[in-house]
Amino acid sequence: GQNIDQPTEMTATEGAIVQINCTYQTSGFNGLFWYQQHAGEAPTFLSYNVLDGLEEKGRFSSFLSRSKGYSYLLLKELQMKDSASYLCAVYMDSNYQLIWGAGTKLIIKP
Amino acid sequence: KAGVTQTPRYLIKTRGQQVTLSCSPISGHRSVSWYQQTPGQGLQFLFEYFSETQRNKGNFPGRFSGRQFSNSRSEMNVSTLELGDSALYLCASSPGLAGGPVDEQYFGPGTRLTVT
Repeated sequence: GQNIDQPTEMTATEGAIVQINCTYQTSGFNGLFWYQQHAGEAPTFLSYNVLDGLEEKGRFSSFLSRSKGYSYLLLKELQMKDSASYLCAVYMDSNYQLIWGAGTKLIIKP
Repeated sequence: KAGVTQTPRYLIKTRGQQVTLSCSPISGHRSVSWYQQTPGQGLQFLFEYFSETQRNKGNFPGRFSGRQFSNSRSEMNVSTLELGDSALYLCASSPGLAGGPVDEQYFGPGTRLTVT
C-alpha cells in the first residue's frame, strides 16, 4: 500500500530554524511536493523535488533522498506567519496520482 | 488572473440527500482535481478531469461522481450522503499538460460540507 508519514505537530520559536520530515513508501515515484496550508485557507505550493538533493527558495528549502524515501522541509528565520500546516505529497507516475500525508501543524511561539 | 473559485463555500445537508459542488478553474487550466480533507486524514484524492474526461480516480465509492464541462468548469456530486462525508472538499486546477497532476496545483478555498 501507499504510506506517507509526517509528524502531527511541531513547535518552534520565532527566528529559529525548523525541519519538517516526510517519509514515504509508495509504488512508483516521480516527485514530491510540499504545500503550506494556513488554517481555514487553501493549500499553496511551496516546492517540487524530483532529483535527490537540496533546493533552496529564500527562507524555505526542501531536500529529497529517493533511495531512502525521505524528504524534509527546512524553514529558516521563522516568522509568526509561518504558523500553518505543511503537507507533503508524492506524485506517482504509476497511476498519475498524488498521495498526501496528513500534514504537520507548525506552531510558532514568540 | 482570477484564482480557483468554488461554490458554495458552506453547505449543510441531511443523511440520504445528495449534493453538487462546483469548481471554476484558473483561466487556461484544463485539469481539475477534487480532494476530500478531514482532520487527521489529510487530503484524499477523489478524481481528476482533463478536457472533459475523467483521467484518474481515487478509491471512493460510486456515490462520488464528477464531470467537467467544455469551459473546464467542474462539478462534483455526492449521492445518498452519509455522516462520514462531512469534510472540506477542495478542488485544484493546473495546466494539465503532463499525464497527471505533476504540475503545481492551485487550490480553491473549498466547500465545507456538514452532513447531519
